[in-house]
Amino acid sequence: DTAVSQTPKYLVTQMGNDKSIKCEQNLGHDTMYWYKQDSKKFLKIMFSYNNKELIINETVPNRFSPKSPDKAHLNLHINSLELGDSAVYFCASSQGLAGISYEQYFGPGTRLTVT
Amino acid sequence: SQKIEQNSEALNIQEGKTATLTCNYTNYSPAYLQWYRQDPGRGPVFLLLIRENEKEKRKERLKVTFDTTLKQSLFHITASQPADSATYLCAPGNNDMRFGAGTRLTVKP
Repeated sequence: DTAVSQTPKYLVTQMGNDKSIKCEQNLGHDTMYWYKQDSKKFLKIMFSYNNKELIINETVPNRFSPKSPDKAHLNLHINSLELGDSAVYFCASSQGLAGISYEQYFGPGTRLTVT
Repeated sequence: SQKIEQNSEALNIQEGKTATLTCNYTNYSPAYLQWYRQDPGRGPVFLLLIRENEKEKRKERLKVTFDTTLKQSLFHITASQPADSATYLCAPGNNDMRFGAGTRLTVKP
C-alpha cells in the first residue's frame, strides 16, 4: 500500500499551459506539504496545509495554487507555466505540524518539464 | 538570513568504514533536527530526529549528534555498506522545517 502517492510521475508540457499535480495520503495525517526540488537538488517548501487550511505559504508565484478538498488530498495547480518551473515536485505529509517535530513522509515526486 | 550547510556535496568512503556527515546552520535556533535519505528518482525517507535537549540519538548503525553551541549536527553511519550510498539531507526545524542541499555518499566495496 502506497502511503503518499502522486500523479502523474512525469509531466512534459509547453510554456503557457496550465497543469495540475495530484497527491493523496492514506496515513491519516493532518498536515500535507508541497516541495520543489530544482536541478541543484535543493528541496524547498512551497505550501503546507493542516486540516485543509493553509499554514505556510512561502514566497512562490501566485501562478501556483494549492487546493485541499479533504485531509487526505492536496493538489497543486500551476497556471501559465514557465521554463523555470521545470523541477521535481514532492508531496509530503506528517501527523502534525512540522513545528512540533513530526517526521514527514514523501511521495515519489512528479518530474515537470516545461518546453 | 537563515543558512543550512552540509559539509560537502559528495563523500566517498570504503566499505566497513564510518561515514561522518556534517550539517551546520546559521542565524537559526532550531528546536529539533531531522535527517533524511534520498535515493535517485525517489522522495526523501525519514531516518532520525534529535531534539535540542538531546546530545545524541542512535538507531542501529546510525548515530546523530546535535550541538546547539556549535550550531552543528553530525550524522554517522558505522560499518558502512554499498547499500548506504545515497544523498543524505539534514533538516533543522522550528515552526517549519528547512532542508540542506544534501551530501551524496558513495560507499565503495
